[in-house]
Amino acid sequence: TQLLEQSPQFLSIQEGENLTVYCNSSSVFSSLQWYRQEPGEGPVLLVTVVTGGEVKKLKRLTFQFGDARKDSSLHITAAQPGDTGLYLCAGERNSGNTPLVFGKGTRLSVIA
Amino acid sequence: AAGVIQSPRHLIKEKRETATLKCYPIPRHDTVYWYQQGPGQDPQFLISFYEKMQSDKGSIPDRFSAQQFSDYHSELNMSSLELGDSALYFCASSFGGNEQFFGPGTRLTVL
Repeated sequence: TQLLEQSPQFLSIQEGENLTVYCNSSSVFSSLQWYRQEPGEGPVLLVTVVTGGEVKKLKRLTFQFGDARKDSSLHITAAQPGDTGLYLCAGERNSGNTPLVFGKGTRLSVIA
Repeated sequence: AAGVIQSPRHLIKEKRETATLKCYPIPRHDTVYWYQQGPGQDPQFLISFYEKMQSDKGSIPDRFSAQQFSDYHSELNMSSLELGDSALYFCASSFGGNEQFFGPGTRLTVL
């Protein structure tokens, strides 16, 4: 059973379109991270959200943590081909030195 | 800024052989985590160390062992390798339970 359900699994869009990736769970997380991973490389941390209802922006990327700290979303505005990659959400069940639980990832392809 | 260093980046072994993967955390980071990522899969937690003591254990097979040394680097020792052990192995480090930063990974291929 996957603790973090990520959707959609695959997404192919045209350059300039907007998109949202969802990460849902029935469990509460102390924090949730979003990573981006290129093929054969390690996940690169994009953002960490900690407080319920928190919204963080990173240029064209907007991250939101649900009020109950059970879900999160990543919204990309005006997607560009450089946004192509695998986006992974990962949560910490407890705060401090605890392992991450990952979603299965969303593979995004932005076509020029 | 210094990142997590992993070596080797690629490793090819035969079945039943042994392998040792090394991880050098970001300077001053006190916690090291090991993850395994199979083809098309999400990373799965194996084991972690905080201040040189094992802190959490995940789905690590009994054939694998790991330790963290006094300089905070960590090694993952894998014995009696099986075909199913072929995967990307990532090390991540953190300081004080904060965000985990991942290394570039070691791609292990077992033939």
